Amino acid sequence: KAGVTQTPRYLIKTRGQQVTLSCSPISGHRSVSWYQQTPGQGLQFLFEYFSETQRNKGNFPGRFSGRQFSNSRSEMNVSTLELGDSALYLCASSWGRDSGRGPYEQYFGPGTRLTVT
Amino acid sequence: KNQVEQSPQSLIILEGKNCTLQCNYTVSPFSNLRWYKQDTGRGPVSLTIMTFSENTKSNGRYTATLDADTKQSSLHITASQLSDSASYICVVNPADRGSTLGRLYFGRGTQLTVWP
Repeated sequence: KAGVTQTPRYLIKTRGQQVTLSCSPISGHRSVSWYQQTPGQGLQFLFEYFSETQRNKGNFPGRFSGRQFSNSRSEMNVSTLELGDSALYLCASSWGRDSGRGPYEQYFGPGTRLTVT
Repeated sequence: KNQVEQSPQSLIILEGKNCTLQCNYTVSPFSNLRWYKQDTGRGPVSLTIMTFSENTKSNGRYTATLDADTKQSSLHITASQLSDSASYICVVNPADRGSTLGRLYFGRGTQLTVWP
């Protein structure tokens, strides 16, 4: 079974531009979450999508947005890029969403390394 | 203040030795706690998941413990190998039992280096 794939793997953009990152979850997985990882802040939760609906959102400005398609593939968009947006953006998928019935295993992709100059 | 604190920040051990990594959290209520291993340049890989009612979970040479009363977890690695060199990240999901809302809280990780 193929793992979580993210494209592109590396990206260089300039301040003020916008960027779209793509994530294809493991086949059959319905939940996709996005994270930002930087050396200073570590991993931070961006948002979670399940069945094409955003279910949860972290503390990031509105410049960060995302969506999920009917095939569970997800994209995240960052508009008006700032230098501080340089980071590794990770996508993770799972079959379901954590609930009282128990946690679901989450699988991460290799990430997209975004550099803003 | 980060709601998940890990210690030590970094650790160097010799191959074959054991080590224990710590995770203290203040997240409440709490649904489950996860330990991930992240190799440089790669995405994290899940090692263990423990619900609030579990107090130990093993995965090969990795054993995680959880004390929900003191809000502490540890990850014990036995007979370390060179391939264990990585960042180990503690993650807490505060979802209420019965609620599907969740928002993961991450520790900053412990950077483990295993020397031959």
